[in-house]
Amino acid sequence: EAGVAQSPRYKIIEKRQSVAFWCNPISGHATLYWYQQILGQGPKLLIQFQNNGVVDDSQLPKDRFSAERLKGVDSTLKIQPAKLEDSAVYLCASSRSGDEQYFGPGTRLTVT
Amino acid sequence: KQEVTQIPAALSVPEGENLVLNCSFTDSAIYNLQWFRQDPGKGLTSLLLIQSSQREQTSGRLNASLDKSSGRSTLYIAASQPGDSATYLCAVPLVDGYGQNFVFGPGTRLSVLP
Repeated sequence: EAGVAQSPRYKIIEKRQSVAFWCNPISGHATLYWYQQILGQGPKLLIQFQNNGVVDDSQLPKDRFSAERLKGVDSTLKIQPAKLEDSAVYLCASSRSGDEQYFGPGTRLTVT
Repeated sequence: KQEVTQIPAALSVPEGENLVLNCSFTDSAIYNLQWFRQDPGKGLTSLLLIQSSQREQTSGRLNASLDKSSGRSTLYIAASQPGDSATYLCAVPLVDGYGQNFVFGPGTRLSVLP
């Protein structure tokens, strides 16, 4: 089966600009996660969807980050406006039952 | 609040050695524990998933154990190879007031020298 797809793979923007990331989970996986991974650290959960509903967004900086999952399949994560400290790899993962997670390749964001 | 730590932070060994990576977590109310591998610039690849009712899981040269009561898991790699060089992370999900929250450790960076 196809894995989790993410795009773009790399993005460089200036601070205060906006950026959006896209994720297509494994077919049939109801749960979708967005993580932020800063260099040298483990991933930090930003938001978790179950189908198209939000389960947990307690660590999402809602003043600048937003995410949606239309029709319970694809998801987009947006940052507006970006700050220097948003430079990180943004990982998308999916799970069939909220159990074992499968990760995409990630999007490396550099904010200058 | 769940905290996950991993020891050592980095490890360098000659090819062929057996090695152990450690993961500790503070809250034992977990459903399972998952070990991942991350290559530079890549996403995470799932290695092993241990359910809370299990004590260990094996896949090839990898063996992971789980001791919920002590808040520990170990990943044992037998006969290490240069291709095993990567960062290894453990993650635990726990149910809080919002739903399932996954917490990752910072990882152990492994280098296997030929």
